[in-house]
Amino acid sequence: DGGITQSPKYLFRKEGQNVTLSCEQNLNHDAMYWYRQDPGQGLRLIYYSQIVNDFQKGDIAEGYSVSREKKESFPLTVTSAQKNPTAFYLCASSSGFSGEAFFGQGTRLTVV
Amino acid sequence: GENVEQHPSTLSVQEGDSAVIKCTYSDSASNYFPWYKQELGKRPQLIIDIRSNVGEKKDQRIAVTLNKTAKHFSLHITETQPEDSAVYFCAAEDSSYKLIFGSGTRLLVRP
Repeated sequence: DGGITQSPKYLFRKEGQNVTLSCEQNLNHDAMYWYRQDPGQGLRLIYYSQIVNDFQKGDIAEGYSVSREKKESFPLTVTSAQKNPTAFYLCASSSGFSGEAFFGQGTRLTVV
Repeated sequence: GENVEQHPSTLSVQEGDSAVIKCTYSDSASNYFPWYKQELGKRPQLIIDIRSNVGEKKDQRIAVTLNKTAKHFSLHITETQPEDSAVYFCAAEDSSYKLIFGSGTRLLVRP
């Protein structure tokens, strides 16, 4: 079953803790992205990667970190430095260069 | 960097009427403009896209127009149906090949 998978679907974090959101794709896509979705603010780009072992900051990278050690995987770590981490996080992948982006089902992170 | 603005933020239409959502972008080098539909609780999915070498593209009840000179593009939905109710996002691919999204339009189709 091809696609892009995020886990977990729901995540609760205590203040001061780091958490890692998983994103895996088996579409053989080179490009992967992380977006944050808040009500009324659309999809804001956190980080993106066009190729393995390389990634770039998006518009709201502060307080987040990523890695791209494998083509299939692009995990996002929400660090304690992120001031307002409660949000819906979406991972996407594409072939790059004007290709359709496919989204995962999202992870809803809540800080308690 | 690229900036995409989308209007309106909410749109309510009667079933059977048309709906139009408009977006503007800032990066003149952008060449790819997709539209995504996100139903409640689901992931965004591509519904139509357009590249800069064409001015209009149609797929059944959905059409997209692009004016590169004015740097704006629009989504047109005709004969709206209740299942068209969702949040719609426009996007522009910037010169670094990353997708920048608009803030979304919540469309409500009243039966």
